[in-house]
Amino acid sequence: AQSVTQLGSHVSVSEGALVLLRCNYSSSVPPYLFWYVQYPNQGLQLLLKYTSAATLVKGINGFEAEFKKSETSFHLTKPSAHMSDAAEYFCAVTTFSGGYNKLIFGAGTRLAVHP
Amino acid sequence: EAGVTQFPSHSVIEKGQTVTLRCDPISGHDNLYWYRRVMGKEIKFLLHFVKESKQDESGMPNNRFLAERTGGTYSTLKVQPAELEDSGVYFCASSQGGSNEQFFGPGTRLTVL
Repeated sequence: AQSVTQLGSHVSVSEGALVLLRCNYSSSVPPYLFWYVQYPNQGLQLLLKYTSAATLVKGINGFEAEFKKSETSFHLTKPSAHMSDAAEYFCAVTTFSGGYNKLIFGAGTRLAVHP
Repeated sequence: EAGVTQFPSHSVIEKGQTVTLRCDPISGHDNLYWYRRVMGKEIKFLLHFVKESKQDESGMPNNRFLAERTGGTYSTLKVQPAELEDSGVYFCASSQGGSNEQFFGPGTRLTVL
């Protein structure tokens, strides 16, 4: 069985500060990992994904994440927070078998960015 | 290209009533997924269609929930009769066959009073 744990339901940073959102996963098979972002009144948007290629994955809006198998982690980072980054972020894990994937999500982390 | 759309955006009903949610996937996407987020908890998988066929409905909570995908295009999710614990946000997502990237709709917020 697969699972995801996101540490911290709320994270607050200053504009220009480092953003670090933590995600740990559990999977008995090599996982595919995703970060999604949800802005107010919008659907989930894919930020980035790990699919067994490079362990450091770059996504949209300056975000990146590093897959660390030894730590079963896939933390999301951004060097400098912007006010527009305020949103809710979801980490998800899946196996991609049979040509489709059922996403298993973490509980989400709401990021607040203050001036 | 139009994204995944869902209707209605909000629905408020009383316990015991029936509600039908609709999802229109991106044109050409064979895979359609339904997920639900109960307040404060994680987003959970409900079921998956490939074209008009249910591929995996392991996440459906109980038999009060019925999903259909007529002709392999749009999908509906009916809750009958609704209970208080059905309140939450229902997301629909779609993907192309063989792709691991799912595109999500904005969700339908269901409130059962």
